[in-house]
Amino acid sequence: RKEVEQDPGPFNVPEGATVAFNCTYSNSASQSFFWYRQDCRKEPKLLMSVYSSGNEDGRFTAQLNRASQYISLLIRDSKLSDSATYLCVVNMRDDKIIFGKGTRLHILP
Amino acid sequence: NAGVTQTPKFQVLKTGQSMTLQCAQDMNHEYMSWYRQDPGMGLRLIHYSVGAGITDQGEVPNGYNVSRSTTEDFPLRLLSAAPSQTSVYFCASSTGQFHNEQFFGPGTRLTVL
Repeated sequence: RKEVEQDPGPFNVPEGATVAFNCTYSNSASQSFFWYRQDCRKEPKLLMSVYSSGNEDGRFTAQLNRASQYISLLIRDSKLSDSATYLCVVNMRDDKIIFGKGTRLHILP
Repeated sequence: NAGVTQTPKFQVLKTGQSMTLQCAQDMNHEYMSWYRQDPGMGLRLIHYSVGAGITDQGEVPNGYNVSRSTTEDFPLRLLSAAPSQTSVYFCASSTGQFHNEQFFGPGTRLTVL
């Protein structure tokens, strides 16, 4: 099993729709989880941290399922500006961080 | 605040040349890291530093050196460039190593011929 695995997509979704991505991780002792957003030819930027209790920020909801070892990102009422690559990031231990390869999202007008 | 800055933005090297990628941050972050990003791959950690005078290897350290003489600066040196080092390099800083948000610089696109 790969350390961090994401569906590369692309997900082509009409504007206003809801879309969800999952990311699986292999190390059950992983400590911290994040979703980053990366626009084409730009640096990654933090979208949201993922907490055990789940968290929501506007149209974005992130959840952690430790039993099944995955995190998820839900985007509601998608906007054209949500088109980007979404990176799943897992901090496996103090000195180890793994980035997923990313899921590409295209919002269609 | 400029955040994390990187220079140069673009660089072309010939095989065997050496160069230094510069990274600086003005947020007084203790933790700094270097990553490379290749097509179809996630970002991979090259080296990181938990404070001035302290550096350690990440996942793909071979062919690269780092030093951390100040809190602000974390240069990455390519000792003898190889085509396999063609990549986009990102520097990042954070307050809590890998537990907290990482702030990335704009990247350096390096091509080795």
